[in-house]
Amino acid sequence: EAGVVQSPRYKIIEKKQPVAFWCNPISGHNTLYWYLQNLGQGPELLIRYENEEAVDDSQLPKDRFSAERLKGVDSTLKIQPAELGDSAVYLCASSLDRGTSSYNEQFFGPGTRLTVL
Amino acid sequence: AQSVTQLDSQVPVFEEAPVELRCNYSSSVSVYLFWYVQYPNQGLQLLLKYLSGSTLVESINGFEAEFNKSQTSFHLRKPSVHISDTAEYFCAVSDHGGGKLIFGQGTELSVKP
Repeated sequence: EAGVVQSPRYKIIEKKQPVAFWCNPISGHNTLYWYLQNLGQGPELLIRYENEEAVDDSQLPKDRFSAERLKGVDSTLKIQPAELGDSAVYLCASSLDRGTSSYNEQFFGPGTRLTVL
Repeated sequence: AQSVTQLDSQVPVFEEAPVELRCNYSSSVSVYLFWYVQYPNQGLQLLLKYLSGSTLVESINGFEAEFNKSQTSFHLRKPSVHISDTAEYFCAVSDHGGGKLIFGQGTELSVKP
């Protein structure tokens, strides 16, 4: 079974440029998460989707960050414009539906390492 | 709201020695507890979890953690470490509604020959 797929794995951009990250969750996982991991820190949730609905986006900086999951499967996270402080690893995770015994087990992708110059 | 404190940022240890990675949490509600491991340039992998039942949980590669409600701790232990255990370890909590993991800042375990 394929795990969570993320692309690109690495991205280097100039500040003020836009950037997008793509995530394809594990097949059958209707819940999808985007986390931000700064160097030397634990991941922090940016947004959580239940199918197409963003049910928790309270930590997403909406002035420059946006996300979508139009068909309830894969998802895109965008930053426009990028700032120097956005340099970090962006992790995508997925889990089964709420109400299943494995809902609380999140499976993580390898992440996208963003460097903003 | 929940918070997680991992008391050691780095733990160097020799191969075959025992190790304990400490994790304390704070929460006003009941929580689920997790340990994740992150190898270099890889995503996080679930190592073990406590949801309910026995307070001692074990992983397939010899790690164990014990949920201590009175001390609000979930320390990770292994009686004999291998070089391959070198990685970053993250403790995390979520409330029983699930959906959001709160992570500690991580402990870098470095196993030396």
